[in-house]
Amino acid sequence: ETGVTQSPTHLIKTRGQQVTLRCSSQSGHNTVSWYQQALGQGPQFIFQYYREEENGRGNFPPRFSGLQFPNYSSELNVNALELDDSALYLCASSLGGGGAGGDTQYFGPGTRLTVL
Amino acid sequence: GQQLNQSPQSMFIQEGEDVSMNCTSSSIFNTWLWYKQDPGEGPVLLIALYKAGELTSNGRLTAQFGITRKDSFLNISASIPSDVGIYFCAGQGNTGNQFYFGTGTSLTVIP
Repeated sequence: ETGVTQSPTHLIKTRGQQVTLRCSSQSGHNTVSWYQQALGQGPQFIFQYYREEENGRGNFPPRFSGLQFPNYSSELNVNALELDDSALYLCASSLGGGGAGGDTQYFGPGTRLTVL
Repeated sequence: GQQLNQSPQSMFIQEGEDVSMNCTSSSIFNTWLWYKQDPGEGPVLLIALYKAGELTSNGRLTAQFGITRKDSFLNISASIPSDVGIYFCAGQGNTGNQFYFGTGTSLTVIP
């Protein structure tokens, strides 16, 4: 049990729609990272938030956006959904923020998004 | 972005055998993490390594942070059926907080 929860568990959307995925981090963890994991692949970093500010971004277009709230919850928003956005979306919380390594990430169970 | 090479890609072993897998990077990392993921679930942290040369155990699992800081190894001794799953390595450098993940090693244990 990592103490990280995500909702919903599964979601089906159609191409062009927008989606919001939610994550609740471990209490006290100031950093949340979001990952996209396609079937048979390792997680790919989307972006990270530290104390409600974006703190790094992977190779994902601007239609992937996020928010982090003071109560250790966060959101991943994806606009104009495409078929290739179908994947398991994972959030991971950590104490983080220092940028000098030494961090440990704990993952939630993920949200399975299917885009039709 | 950074890609970690993880090998082997898959393993089929008999119950009771030992398992070794490794992860290599073209960049130096300050942190290595090893995760196990079951189908449809999030990765579960197995071992965290923070120092070059560090050797850390968690039950039947042992992982090492390579001296060059560009590789890490995970060993599982006396495998059991519940070890089945996909094992991922993840590395973090000294600039930014991003973790880079390996491509995964799929482990099958034959009873």
